[in-house]
Amino acid sequence: EPEVTQTPSHQVTQMGQEVILRCVPISNHLYFYWYRQILGQKVEFLVSFYNNEISEKSEIFDDQFSVERPDGSNFTLKIRSTKLEDSAMYFCASSGEKLFFGSGTQLSVL
Amino acid sequence: GENVEQHPSTLSVQEGDSAVIKCTYSDSASNYFPWYKQELGKGPQLIIDIRSNVGEKKDQRIAVTLNKTAKHFSLHITETQPEDSAVYFCAATRGRRDDKIIFGKGTRLHILP
Repeated sequence: EPEVTQTPSHQVTQMGQEVILRCVPISNHLYFYWYRQILGQKVEFLVSFYNNEISEKSEIFDDQFSVERPDGSNFTLKIRSTKLEDSAMYFCASSGEKLFFGSGTQLSVL
Repeated sequence: GENVEQHPSTLSVQEGDSAVIKCTYSDSASNYFPWYKQELGKGPQLIIDIRSNVGEKKDQRIAVTLNKTAKHFSLHITETQPEDSAVYFCAATRGRRDDKIIFGKGTRLHILP
């Protein structure tokens, strides 16, 4: 069964450092998303991406965040200067008819 | 924007009994309602969904019902098993492919032996 894959599974970084979270969406999907989940809380929408541009972004997705589809398979989330409050599980998702999530990257900002 | 409320936050049921999780939504334009199961350390997994032109949908031990007038939808799990223990999220969206999904806060389901 096709799946969304994310790397790394865990990322530890110092406050102020840049991080890049990587995702390989399901191959025939055209719509890509990033969501995040702070420990014990609900899954929150960050950004959607279609046709090589952002479709929609939430208030959380400020100027420190960016997304890119650098080639035909990868979809990345960059956080330019991480803050303590960026610590969360970040999920990539892609959709064709339905939305499927990856297993997530646990980001810890120290 | 859309707001999804989910109850209860925690639910414990004896193995073999039924579990019911309820959600409400606010945006009358929402027309697609997926349910996700999240196990520890994993991403949300789609388990069942329902569109607004249908009142009920069943898949083996899992069923969803939708009351569009009242903006309520529910997940029903019958004959619960230990592997049903997880966090369950309801969600709502307008159903366009590029539309974001808005999640409820989740229900932690414990299946007691």
